Amino acid sequence: DVKVTQSSRYLVKRTGEKVFLECVQDMDHENMFWYRQDPGLGLRLIYFSYDVKMKEKGDIPEGYSVSREKKERFSLILESASTNQTSMYLCASSTQGRSNYGYTFGSGTRLTVV
Amino acid sequence: GEDVEQSLFLSVREGDSSVINCTYTDSSSTYLYWYKQEPGAGLQLLTYIFSNMDMKQDQRLTVLLNKKDKHLSLRIADTQTGDSAIYFCAETTDTGGFKTIFGAGTRLFVKA
Repeated sequence: DVKVTQSSRYLVKRTGEKVFLECVQDMDHENMFWYRQDPGLGLRLIYFSYDVKMKEKGDIPEGYSVSREKKERFSLILESASTNQTSMYLCASSTQGRSNYGYTFGSGTRLTVV
Repeated sequence: GEDVEQSLFLSVREGDSSVINCTYTDSSSTYLYWYKQEPGAGLQLLTYIFSNMDMKQDQRLTVLLNKKDKHLSLRIADTQTGDSAIYFCAETTDTGGFKTIFGAGTRLFVKA
């Protein structure tokens, strides 16, 4: 069963901490994405990557960075966590180009910053 | 810019049909999708339709696409309590490197 795995379902961190959210996919997908989901706002794209060591800013990149050293792994980094980064974080992957048959999502990481 | 809009809430009785509607703005859409999110979980792809089609049926699910009005709908026949979830409409466009835009999601409540 192909999947996208996020390392933690729930995390509680303190303001100012550096936070790493990990995502691994086993489908050999080129594209990987990080979204945050907040009530009434839907999914907002933070960063995405079309290839190893490649990254592009999404709609709300401020306060975040990413790393993609291997094709299967895409990490989201909160450099200095703040309470307004409390959210559900969703990782997704997809094949590249015109044969885009949708995204495969991980189960999400619910992050609380106190 | 690109936008995908859908109503936030729908309530139906068990056994009735549910129709969830979505409108989009980008006429260069290539694929349109419906995703389902159950409580505490990620999104699961339910079905998709190519922009050159106007209907797709898959068991209890029927997707209708009206390209002229930029309107997409998802009909769930014989709705069950297990269908209670948030349903997201999404589109992939030719612009911006085949970026996918998601709607805010429609929360479907199924009353027993």
